[in-house]
Amino acid sequence: DADVTQTPRNRITKTGKRIMLECSQTKGHDRMYWYRQDPGLGLRLIYYSFDVKDINKGEISDGYSVSRQAQAKFSLSLESAIPNQTALYFCATSEPPGGQGNEKLFFGSGTQLSVL
Amino acid sequence: AQKVTQAQTEISVVEKEDVTLDCVYETRDTTYYLFWYKQPPSGELVFLIRRNSFDEQNEISGRYSWNFQKSTSSFNFTITASQVVDSAVYFCALSEQGKLQFGAGTQVVVTP
Repeated sequence: DADVTQTPRNRITKTGKRIMLECSQTKGHDRMYWYRQDPGLGLRLIYYSFDVKDINKGEISDGYSVSRQAQAKFSLSLESAIPNQTALYFCATSEPPGGQGNEKLFFGSGTQLSVL
Repeated sequence: AQKVTQAQTEISVVEKEDVTLDCVYETRDTTYYLFWYKQPPSGELVFLIRRNSFDEQNEISGRYSWNFQKSTSSFNFTITASQVVDSAVYFCALSEQGKLQFGAGTQVVVTP
């Protein structure tokens, strides 16, 4: 089984709909992240969480919200989806600084979201 | 602010040729980490290497090698004797304070 699991893998929705993307992990990491990938732009950070009570905005948080339900779960919501939110979304986890895996991200398989 | 620049959008080579991917970064921190990730056509992101800012030794792993030059803020990646399986998008990333910032990626196309 994958260490970082994203659901759904693919989603097509209409403008104005509320969408939730879910992420769960079995790595035991406190730190979790949501990125979106657009062609030619690489991956951009939407939100991140360093523990269950910590939520931080990334560089492109407008139009998104997140919920850290437990150490293992971090969901991303689009309250009212719009076409320019069509992208590939990745969830990731990492160990805290100071360890051998310092800041290395472990990614889920991605969720392709299309907003029509 | 930090920034990662991968100036090459796409590189096409014939199998067995070498290919070098450029990565230039900007940061004000003295402690940071640099990464390379590979994204094959299947879409997953595969970790290749992590380098901290205090370790400027070059590294070789099989056909892959990395050249870190702090003086020019560059962390370049070379694939030697490329193979069709190397066809992918390659991302350079800079991490500081627990967050990774990615470059735009370089698409490598290796043809037989």
